[in-house]
Amino acid sequence: EAAVTQSPRNKVAVTGGKVTLSCNQTNNHNNMYWYRQDTGHGLRLIHYSYGAGSTEKGDIPDGYKASRPSQENFSLILELATPSQTSVYFCASGDGWGGAGQLYFGEGSKLTVL
Amino acid sequence: SQWGEENLQALSIQEGEDVTMNCSYKTYTTVVQWYRQKSGKGPAQLILIRSNEREKRSGRLRATLDTSSQSSSLSITGTLATDTAVYFCATATNYNQGKLIFGQGTKLSIKP
Repeated sequence: EAAVTQSPRNKVAVTGGKVTLSCNQTNNHNNMYWYRQDTGHGLRLIHYSYGAGSTEKGDIPDGYKASRPSQENFSLILELATPSQTSVYFCASGDGWGGAGQLYFGEGSKLTVL
Repeated sequence: SQWGEENLQALSIQEGEDVTMNCSYKTYTTVVQWYRQKSGKGPAQLILIRSNEREKRSGRLRATLDTSSQSSSLSITGTLATDTAVYFCATATNYNQGKLIFGQGTKLSIKP
């Protein structure tokens, strides 16, 4: 069974603070993704990665950084968190190109920025 | 946006009924995937259908793809209360560097 684990599952942060969301996958997939989910917007892609050391901008990268130090780990970093970044964040891994493969999602990280 | 406005929907039906959810997209796609998301969980893939396929089945699920009208549908026959979830379609092309772009989803509620 494919496994993607996110931490923390719940986080309350203050405006201007730094937040790091972590993701670990045991699938040995090359590709990893960070999405955010808000009511009325579905899932929107923030950053993604093709492998260790690579990060690419998704559709809504502003205010976010990403880090892929290893095949297994992919982090999303909010250097200066704002209330507009309150959302549920999902990490996923996959090994297909051009959408050809299945994405395996974690259970989500709920972030509240006060 | 890559998506038509009709993609944001909510449906409520009785258990045992059949249901079809539709998805239209604006740009060329090579693959459509359908995902289901249950409350409090991450999305899970149901079906992947490629641009050279018109139909794909998996158990009670049937997906169609019409590239000429740029639309896809997901049908569930004999719905169960456990089918209650949000259903997303997602598309990808050879030109978007492996990105899978999700629609806004259809919230399906099955009344027991």
